[in-house]
Amino acid sequence: KQEVTQIPAALSVPEGENLVLNCSFTDSAIYNLQWFRQDPGKGLTSLLLIQSSQREQTSGRLNASLDKSSGRSTLYIAASQPGDSATYLCAVNARGTDKLIFGTGTRLQVFP
Amino acid sequence: NAGVTQTPKFRILKIGQSMTLQCTQDMNHNYMYWYRQDPGMGLKLIYYSVGAGITDKGEVPNGYNVSRSTTEDFPLRLELAAPSQTSVYFCASSEVGGGYNSPLHFGNGTRLTVT
Repeated sequence: KQEVTQIPAALSVPEGENLVLNCSFTDSAIYNLQWFRQDPGKGLTSLLLIQSSQREQTSGRLNASLDKSSGRSTLYIAASQPGDSATYLCAVNARGTDKLIFGTGTRLQVFP
Repeated sequence: NAGVTQTPKFRILKIGQSMTLQCTQDMNHNYMYWYRQDPGMGLKLIYYSVGAGITDKGEVPNGYNVSRSTTEDFPLRLELAAPSQTSVYFCASSEVGGGYNSPLHFGNGTRLTVT
């Protein structure tokens, strides 16, 4: 059974720091891995989708990497800003299904 | 540019009552999903649909029912509300299924309390 874990559960950093959020999964048979952002009281917004054949994806200050063989993904946020404060969730799309399995998220706070 | 719209935003139910959570999308997406999110937990899939007239169970379907009579709408029905169904419910849609690497679009959620 596919399980997705995110460490740390919470992170607080000063503005301007570069930071890394971690996601691990137990079964490497995936179609893709997605990173989402969730603001309090809101739904999830898709940030990046990495296909199983890809190593990384970039969008602005965000860079997500995927190492399928080791079951790991990282989300790198460069030059963090207070506006980056949110919960970040990763999810894997298990091969052979249309279902996303979510991690429990990392709650990020960036203070001025 | 509505995307995925969920109603209501908040609801309080008494044990044993019934209700329907509404979800509609205007992106002509084939795939639609219902998730629940409990505090400190990830999202759990309740039901999903790959097109009008087709639905299937997710990880936690007990106590819920769905229907998909049109491409746009995917309502979630709670028949006999129980305290364990207190949660935030999210509807999502995607153009195609997982194998085609289509990102999910989420609604803003319905916060349900059963007392």
